[in-house]
Formats: sequence, C-alpha cells, structure tokens
Amino acid sequence: GENVGLHLPTLSVQEGDNSIINCAYSNSASDYFIWYKQESGKGPQFIIDIRSNMDKRQGQRVTVLLNKTVKHLSLQIAATQPGDSAVYFCAAMDSSYKLIFGSGTRLLVRP
Amino acid sequence: GAVVSQHPSWVICKSGTSVKIECRSLDFQATTMFWYRQFPKQSLMLMATSNEGSKATYEQGVEKDKFLINHASLTLSTLTVTSAHPEDSSFYICSARGPTEQFFGPGTRLTVL
Repeated sequence: GENVGLHLPTLSVQEGDNSIINCAYSNSASDYFIWYKQESGKGPQFIIDIRSNMDKRQGQRVTVLLNKTVKHLSLQIAATQPGDSAVYFCAAMDSSYKLIFGSGTRLLVRP
Repeated sequence: GAVVSQHPSWVICKSGTSVKIECRSLDFQATTMFWYRQFPKQSLMLMATSNEGSKATYEQGVEKDKFLINHASLTLSTLTVTSAHPEDSSFYICSARGPTEQFFGPGTRLTVL
C-alpha cells in the first residue's frame, strides 16, 4: 500500500513570503501525485499534479518538486496571500486510480 | 471545469436511522466514483470505490453492510449509512473519475444525535 505523510502539521508564514509544504511517500511504484487545498467545510480543490517522469512542474504561483530518490515531494507557493490559508494535502495515486492522502498541513498566513 | 455535486450538504439524524447521500457528476460520465470519510482535523480516508453497474469495492475495515453504495448510472452514486450512530458523524466526500483527473464533491456533513 501507500503511506503518504507530511512533515509539519501547521505552517505559519508572513503574507508575501514563499511557503513550502513537504510530503513523503513510501510506495516507489506510485507514479502520479497531486496537491489539494481544502478550506474549512469544503471538498478538496485540485492545485497541481506531477507524474513520476518529471522532477518539477510549475503552475500559477505554485511549483511542485518531486524527488523520487528519497520519495519526497513539495509544494511551493510564491508570494503567499491570505486566501492561501487552508489545509494542504498531498495524495498519491495507485494503479487502481485510488488516491491515498497524506495527513495534511495547515497553512496560516499572517497579515 | 468538471463539477461534482453532493446532496445533501449537511444532515442531522437520530441514532438508528439511515441516511442517503448522493454524488453526481454534472457534466461528465464517471464509471468510477470514490467515497471518502474525513473526521475533524484529519485527512481523507478512502472508504470504497464505486463502479457503475457492479458492486463497490470496500477498503479494509469499512463495513459494507453499514455503508451501502449504489452506482446505478454513469452520473450518480449513492452512499447510505444504515443504522447510523454518533460515531458515524463525519464529513463524507465523494470524487468522480473524469477523463483526465478526479473531481471532488463539496462534501456532506453528517451529524448523528
């Protein structure tokens, strides 16, 4: 199976600074990873994804880095804004399209 | 983008009653839908995989007789929590597998008194 874990339960950053959220996974056979944002009382919202044949992928203000050697991925948010405050989950997809979620990191943006 | 809806968005019921939650893919057909449960301040835990026209596949530790799943059409899956108890109170979220990615519903908050 897949174990996906996060290093920090809560991350507090100053508005305008960059945020980095980390995630580790255990199954080297996982080949697709997704970052989700979840606001209170809502379903997860897709942020960015990456396949195992890539090391880096960029979106609007977000970048995901994948290090397959150490089974680690990270989400970088540039110029963090108050609207970025939420819980962020990484998820790994297995061969049956099941998503296994990490434990989540709460991002708090200080004004 | 693709939209997945859930109904109801919240429900309060008495212990011992059954509750049905609907998950619909609004603008695409989903042969596979997934049901998750999320307790406060915890992550999403996959409960079962719902396949159109066949029996659902349940994750280890999830009681299939308690959490009945019916995927009767390509746009609708239902989760019925039978004989609900307070420990079943949780946030239930479905997702539908689209052509390129999974899309999540907004969730249903179940409170069992």
